[in-house]
Amino acid sequence: AQTVTQSQPEMSVQEAETVTLSCTYDTSENNYYLFWYKQPPSRQMILVIRQEAYKQQNATENRFSVNFQKAAKSFSLKISDSQLGDTAMYFCAFMKQQDDKIIFGKGTRLHILP
Amino acid sequence: DTEVTQTPKHLVMGMTNKKSLKCEQHMGHRAMYWYKQKAKKPPELMFVYSYEKLSINESVPSRFSPECPNSSLLNLHLHALQPEDSALYLCASSPLSQGFAILNTIYFGEGSWLTVV
Repeated sequence: AQTVTQSQPEMSVQEAETVTLSCTYDTSENNYYLFWYKQPPSRQMILVIRQEAYKQQNATENRFSVNFQKAAKSFSLKISDSQLGDTAMYFCAFMKQQDDKIIFGKGTRLHILP
Repeated sequence: DTEVTQTPKHLVMGMTNKKSLKCEQHMGHRAMYWYKQKAKKPPELMFVYSYEKLSINESVPSRFSPECPNSSLLNLHLHALQPEDSALYLCASSPLSQGFAILNTIYFGEGSWLTVV
């Protein structure tokens, strides 16, 4: 069975700083997808970034980038130039290719301080 | 366009009421989901409608019943709920890619806040 582990329940950083959220996963699959979702206080789950396991290149979306280490089964999220609007719960998630279910980590609550 | 529409956004119901949460997507996605989420927890999967069949998380009580009138709609019927059922209910959809032609991703609606009194 697949598992997703987020070891940081809560983090705080100053506005404009860079922050990295950790995520590790366990799977015997070779083809899969990894995601980071953001859930602000409004509670809508917003897709931040996604990575296909077969791609070696790390995904990037504006200020958000990942460090995908397939052999180590690690998928960290880096937020550069953090903004107050980045304050949210962040969930790391895993999905097997051609599967219909996603597996979430327990989440990391991120506070961006003014 | 990655829009999943949920109605109502807020619902307050008594324990003897019957109500429904509605979810709609017009992206041609082949899977739809209902999740329950409590505060500070990840979403928990309740139901999946995919490959034209419904899968049920066996831990979900029978007072929740899904209905899939067509491939664009997945409603959640609520009957005789308990106060502990108060939560955020998230609907989602996924294209269910075949191979790498479409990147498989789950897209969420804005959620329906349910309060049972």
